[in-house]
Amino acid sequence: EAGVTQSPTHLIKTRGQQATLRCSPISGHTSVYWYQQALGLGLQFLLWYDEGEERNRGNFPPRFSGRQFPNYSSELNVNALELEDSALYLCASSLGFRRGNTEAFFGQGTRLTVV
Amino acid sequence: GENVEQHPSTLSVQEGDSAVIKCTYSDSASNYFPWYKQELGKRPQLIIDIRSNVGEKKDQRIAVTLNKTAKHFSLHITETQPEDSAVYFCAASLTENTGFQKLVFGTGTRLLVSP
Repeated sequence: EAGVTQSPTHLIKTRGQQATLRCSPISGHTSVYWYQQALGLGLQFLLWYDEGEERNRGNFPPRFSGRQFPNYSSELNVNALELEDSALYLCASSLGFRRGNTEAFFGQGTRLTVV
Repeated sequence: GENVEQHPSTLSVQEGDSAVIKCTYSDSASNYFPWYKQELGKRPQLIIDIRSNVGEKKDQRIAVTLNKTAKHFSLHITETQPEDSAVYFCAASLTENTGFQKLVFGTGTRLLVSP
C-alpha cells in the first residue's frame, strides 16, 4: 500500500513568488493535515482538511491557504513568499473522525527554500 | 483552548539509561495519544499510541502511561541505544465544536543517547 506522498521534494522560490505544494493521502484516508517545521523547531499546525472541507487552521497569515480535492488529495499554497517561510512542510493523513481513527501517517515532506 | 505541552525540550542520556518525556493536554475530551519519532532528515513515524480507556501500554523497550485525571501522559524508553537519538513528538486528539477530531502536537523533545 502506498504511503502519503508529497511533491515536489524540494522547491526553491524567490521572495514574493507563490509556492504550491501537493499531498496525496493514503487510499481511504479523508483527513489531511499540513504542518510547517522550521529548522530545529517543532511541528507548527497549518491547516486541516477532512471530507473536502477546511476544518481548522493554525496561527498563520491568510497568504497560507489550501484546498482538498474530491479524491482527498490536498494542495497548500503560499503567496507572497517571505524568507522566513523557508521550512520543511509536512503533510499527514488519517482515516478521519467519522471512521473513529485519528492515527496519522506523514509524508516525506517538501523542503521549501525562499531566497 | 487547544494546547499540548511537552517537556523537556532536550534530553541527554547515557546508553543503557532510561529516558522519560512528559506531555500535558488541555482538552478533557481527548481520547487518543500517539507518540512520533523523527530521525534527522526523515518524516515523523508513529512508534506507540494509547487510547483513553487504557492506562499503560508497552512495546518492547518503550511504554506510554496515561493519567486522565491529571491530563498528562508520558513516554518511557528503557535501555536506551544510540539509535534512539531523534526528536520525539507527543500528540493528543482534540474535539472541535463540529464534532470532528484533529491531532495537536507537542513541541518536541530532542533525545541524544551517548555511547
